[in-house]
Amino acid sequence: NAGVTQTPKFRVLKTGQSMTLLCAQDMNHEYMYWYRQDPGMGLRLIHYSVGEGTTAKGEVPDGYNVSRLKKQNFLLGLESAAPSQTSVYFCASRGSSGNTIYFGEGSWLTVV
Amino acid sequence: GEDVEQSLFLSVREGDSSVINCTYTDSSSTYLYWYKQEPGAGLQLLTYIFSNMDMKQDQRLTVLLNKKDKHLSLRIADTQTGDSAIYFCAETGSSASKIIFGSGTRLSIRP
Repeated sequence: NAGVTQTPKFRVLKTGQSMTLLCAQDMNHEYMYWYRQDPGMGLRLIHYSVGEGTTAKGEVPDGYNVSRLKKQNFLLGLESAAPSQTSVYFCASRGSSGNTIYFGEGSWLTVV
Repeated sequence: GEDVEQSLFLSVREGDSSVINCTYTDSSSTYLYWYKQEPGAGLQLLTYIFSNMDMKQDQRLTVLLNKKDKHLSLRIADTQTGDSAIYFCAETGSSASKIIFGSGTRLSIRP
C-alpha cells in the first residue's frame, strides 16, 4: 500500500515554462487536495476534488489548473510558471466517511 | 469564511509540558486536527477530535476543545527533543470537504 505518491519530488523551472505535478492514491479515496506551503504561511489550499470528474477552487487557485479524470489521480498544472509559485506542494487524500487525511511527501518546485 | 490562527513560535524546556493553541472561525467544523511536520518532511497526523468532544487524550498528547470560544489546544507532556517540529492545527470547515490549516507553530526545546 503506497498511500499518496507525488511526482516529481524536485523540479526547477524557468519563468514561463509549464509543468504538471501528479498525485496518485491507492486507497480509493473520494477527496483529494493540493496545498502549497510557504515559510510562515502554513498550508494553503490551491484546489480540491470531491470525486472523479470534479474540481473546486481553494484559497489560492490563481495560476493553477487541476484535473481529476481518474479517481486515483489528481493533477496540478502550472501553465506559465512564475517565481511566486516557488514553493513546496503537498497532495492529500481522504475517504468520504473518513476523518484522516493522508499526505504525500511533497514536491519542491523552484521557478527561476 | 474559514480561518485558523496559531502563534508562530513556542520554546519550552525539555521535560516541561508544551501547550500549543489554535483558534478557528467556522463553528460548524466536524473534525479538528493536529499535524506534526519535521524538517524536510511531510505532515504526520498526531491526533484529531470530533466536534462534539471536549477532550481527547492519547499517551503524552491531550487535546482540549472549547467550542464556545472556538479554541483548540494541544498539550504535550514531558516534552522531548524529538518533539521539535512545526505543529499545524486544521479544521474541516462548513462543507466538510475542505481542510483548512493554520500557519503552524514551531516548537523548539531548550536543554
